[in-house]
Amino acid sequence: AQSVTQPDIHITVSEGASLELRCNYSYGATPYLFWYVQSPGQGLQLLLKYFSGDTLVQGIKGFEAEFKRSQSSFNLRKPSVHWSDAAEYFCAVQSGGGADGLTFGKGTHLIIQP
Amino acid sequence: DAGVIQSPRHEVTEMGQEVTLRCKPISGHDYLFWYRQTMMRGLELLIYFNNNVPIDDSGMPEDRFSAKMPNASFSTLKIQPSEPRDSAVYFCASSSLAGTYEQYFGPGTRLTVT
Repeated sequence: AQSVTQPDIHITVSEGASLELRCNYSYGATPYLFWYVQSPGQGLQLLLKYFSGDTLVQGIKGFEAEFKRSQSSFNLRKPSVHWSDAAEYFCAVQSGGGADGLTFGKGTHLIIQP
Repeated sequence: DAGVIQSPRHEVTEMGQEVTLRCKPISGHDYLFWYRQTMMRGLELLIYFNNNVPIDDSGMPEDRFSAKMPNASFSTLKIQPSEPRDSAVYFCASSSLAGTYEQYFGPGTRLTVT
């Protein structure tokens, strides 16, 4: 069965500093990988996705992520965070074909210090 | 596009009562997913449909839970009888393989069972 691990429950970053959120997955074949963001009381919004091709993918709000097959990782990065980036971030994996449900990590709570 | 619509947004009920959550997917989407989010278990897939047919209900916790999709624009998730441990946020999402595999999430229904 597929699984996702987000090792950091909470991360605190100063506004303007760079950010990296870690995600490791377990899946037998090439997975489809996603990062979602959830603001308090809101639904989930897709930041970016990886299906195939270029392992560095660009998303919305200045986020990017890099797929590293050898490390089974899909880490999310942003060069300079803004106070509005404070939220819960979820990494998710989907089995090949795209028709299945998503398996989510437990999430990383991002806190932005002024 | 109005996005995925869920109702009600909040539901408070007493233990033993029947609860019905509703979802309207994005028009033209042929996949519909129900997820549950709790502090303990995070986000987990309950069931998903393709062209109104249930494909995988292995995530449905027990027989008290049932889901239906009578047509392409409406789905329900019913809990009967409800229990305090069912308290959670329930999300509906929809997607289409005609475009990307992106799942669009609704705002969720926060269920509290007392």
